[in-house]
Amino acid sequence: SAVISQKPSRDICQRGTSLTIQCQVDSQVTMMFWYRQQPGQSLTLIATANQGSEATYESGFVIDKFPISRPNLTFSTLTVSNMSPEDSSIYLCSVESGRRNTEAFFGQGTRLTVV
Amino acid sequence: AQTVTQSQPEMSVQEAETVTLSCTYDTSESNYYLFWYKQPPSRQMILVIRQEAYKQQNATENRFSVNFQKAAKSFSLKISDSQLGDTAMYFCAFMKHNNNDMRFGAGTRLTVKP
Repeated sequence: SAVISQKPSRDICQRGTSLTIQCQVDSQVTMMFWYRQQPGQSLTLIATANQGSEATYESGFVIDKFPISRPNLTFSTLTVSNMSPEDSSIYLCSVESGRRNTEAFFGQGTRLTVV
Repeated sequence: AQTVTQSQPEMSVQEAETVTLSCTYDTSESNYYLFWYKQPPSRQMILVIRQEAYKQQNATENRFSVNFQKAAKSFSLKISDSQLGDTAMYFCAFMKHNNNDMRFGAGTRLTVKP
């Protein structure tokens, strides 16, 4: 299994500002994933982050809005840039571990409110 | 593209009773994995149970079991002897073999009543 520490756990931010969310894993993992969960909704994959290369973004998400860093095999950050109230969501970091990397483990999420 | 459908936005069950949550999916893949995740108010996503598509036997984990019908592309979760701590959002998820991209259903909010 993998233990993921994600911070901050919550924040209230002014529109137009940026917030960087950190994700720390207790073991080395190849791929890290960032999800968005809008209020009352399911999880939507934002991007996949591999160490040493640019993140791969899903349709509807762009690097300018959600820049991601992956400096090593245990850490990643997601920045939500130029925030608007529509960015108010829970953001979750995830890694896959276990047998054949078929179990996903999640951080506790960051609840972001943009005012 | 793979899609996951949970047709029950909300369900409730009396404590100690049994409840079944439905999930269907659409894929052209033959080898894949299916999951049920639980998300309590703490927001922590917790893996409840996992099924490998090439295995015919339904997965079980204590009070949790699945009814996997590959031909029908159905993957329901049965919770036996429901407990108050089972109250949470439950998400069904799909992942292709050799592809770590996980797709989630819309979720079912389960309330266990005392």
